[in-house]
Amino acid sequence: EVQMVESGGGLVKPGDSLRLSCTASGFSVTNTYLNWVRQSPGTGLEWVGLIKNEIDGGTREYAAPVKGRFSISRDDSKNTIYLQMNSLSTEDTAVYYCCTEWSGTFHNWGQGTLVTVSS
Amino acid sequence: QSALTQPPSASGSPGQSVTISCTGTSSDVGAYNYVSWYQQHPGKAPKLMIYEVSKRPSGVPDRFSGSKSGSTASLTVSGLQAEDEADYYCSSYTGRVNFLYVFGTGTKVTVL
Repeated sequence: EVQMVESGGGLVKPGDSLRLSCTASGFSVTNTYLNWVRQSPGTGLEWVGLIKNEIDGGTREYAAPVKGRFSISRDDSKNTIYLQMNSLSTEDTAVYYCCTEWSGTFHNWGQGTLVTVSS
Repeated sequence: QSALTQPPSASGSPGQSVTISCTGTSSDVGAYNYVSWYQQHPGKAPKLMIYEVSKRPSGVPDRFSGSKSGSTASLTVSGLQAEDEADYYCSSYTGRVNFLYVFGTGTKVTVL
C-alpha cells in the first residue's frame, strides 16, 4: 500500500525554525517528484514547493510566499523528503501535506502535520 | 497571484447530479490540460478524483467526471451519494516561476 507519513509539526514562536519530514512506504521515491502543499485553518490549499528526482537534477521550486525561507531536500536512501522552514510567521500556520506529483497532478497525499506559529 | 474561482457551495439530493465550475485564466486552466480535482472530507487529506481534465484514477467511481472549455474546468458528480458530501478543490499547473501550481477556492458539496 502506498503511504506518505508526515511528522515534525508543532507549536513554535514567530521567527523560529522547524523541519518537517515525510517518509514514503509501499514505493520508492527515487524517480518521483515530491511536493509540499499546505492548508491554513478553515481555508483552501496552497502549493508550497517541489523537489524533482535526481534524474531531472533534483531541482527545487518554491511558491513566492516561502521562497528564501523554506527549503526542500530529499534522502532517497531513506525514502524521505524534508521541509526546512525558517523565519516562521503566523501566516505559515497550516496543516502541511507532502504528496507525489507527476503529469501536473498530486497523486498520493500524506495525512498532514499541523504547524502552529504563535507567540 | 489569484486562486482559481469555484462556487462556495453546491448541493443536490441523492441520485441527482451536481456540477462544480473552476474558472482560471489563459495562463493556467486555459493553457494546460493539467487540471485535477480533489475531494476532502473534514479532518482528512485531499484525495485525487480527476486528473488531466477528465481521467479517473483507479478506484474512483465513474460517477465522477471532468471536462474543460476554455479557461473553465468542471467536475460533475452523477448519482449523488451521501459519502460524496465533502469539499472539492480544483488545481491547475501554471508553469509560472514561484507559482507553479494554483488551487481553486473550494466548493462545499452538500447532499440534501
